[in-house]
Amino acid sequence: QLQLQESGPGLVKPSETLSLTCTVSGGSISSSSYYWGWIRQPPGKGLEWIGSIYYSGSTYYNPSLKSRVTISVDTSKNQFSLKLSSVTAADTAVYYCARHFLANYDILTGYYNLGWFDPWGQGTLVTVSS
Amino acid sequence: EIVLTQSPGTLSLSPGERATLSCRASQSVSSSYLAWYQQKPGQAPRLLIYGASSRATGIPDRFSGSGSGTDFTLTISRLEPEDFAVYYCQQYGSSQTFGQGTRLEIK
Repeated sequence: QLQLQESGPGLVKPSETLSLTCTVSGGSISSSSYYWGWIRQPPGKGLEWIGSIYYSGSTYYNPSLKSRVTISVDTSKNQFSLKLSSVTAADTAVYYCARHFLANYDILTGYYNLGWFDPWGQGTLVTVSS
Repeated sequence: EIVLTQSPGTLSLSPGERATLSCRASQSVSSSYLAWYQQKPGQAPRLLIYGASSRATGIPDRFSGSGSGTDFTLTISRLEPEDFAVYYCQQYGSSQTFGQGTRLEIK
């Protein structure tokens, strides 16, 4: 059974960089059938997709966060990671990692159409505060 | 960006009743690329439905999804006590966006 687990600091200072890692167990991150994604949820609010990565390193980012986000993958450790720079209090949230299914592949554009998320990690709360 | 609006914000029903949750998109969602999730307090979201109407593995058949274009519905035929939670829709036809959620509470 595939499981994902987020890890990283629970407290980050404003203007610094938030760094989290997701460890995948029970399956290989190098599967050609999936991307691997990050989603966040501010306390008491809804869900926001941050970005996703393929085992090859190909990435898709939320345009609203793209300038501050870097997602990387380490297939030898079966992990992928998130870095979010220049954080503010608005970045305080529970951060989830999840397997990101592919909806389809567009032959004309060469882009994957990413789909739904399943399963999700348990999430980790990151608070931005001095 | 496709904006998803879920209604109602809160739905109060009793166990055994039928629940109908709505998700309306600001523009047409291509290929019915819409998913539904259930989230209980302190837990991660759980996938219920993808492709607007396909149930995820292990999801009871009292959960069903329907719709196309801009209007989608999640129906729970007979509510069980464990179904009271927050439900989110997600479209993946154009990038990825989520609705703001519908809280299903016990009446």
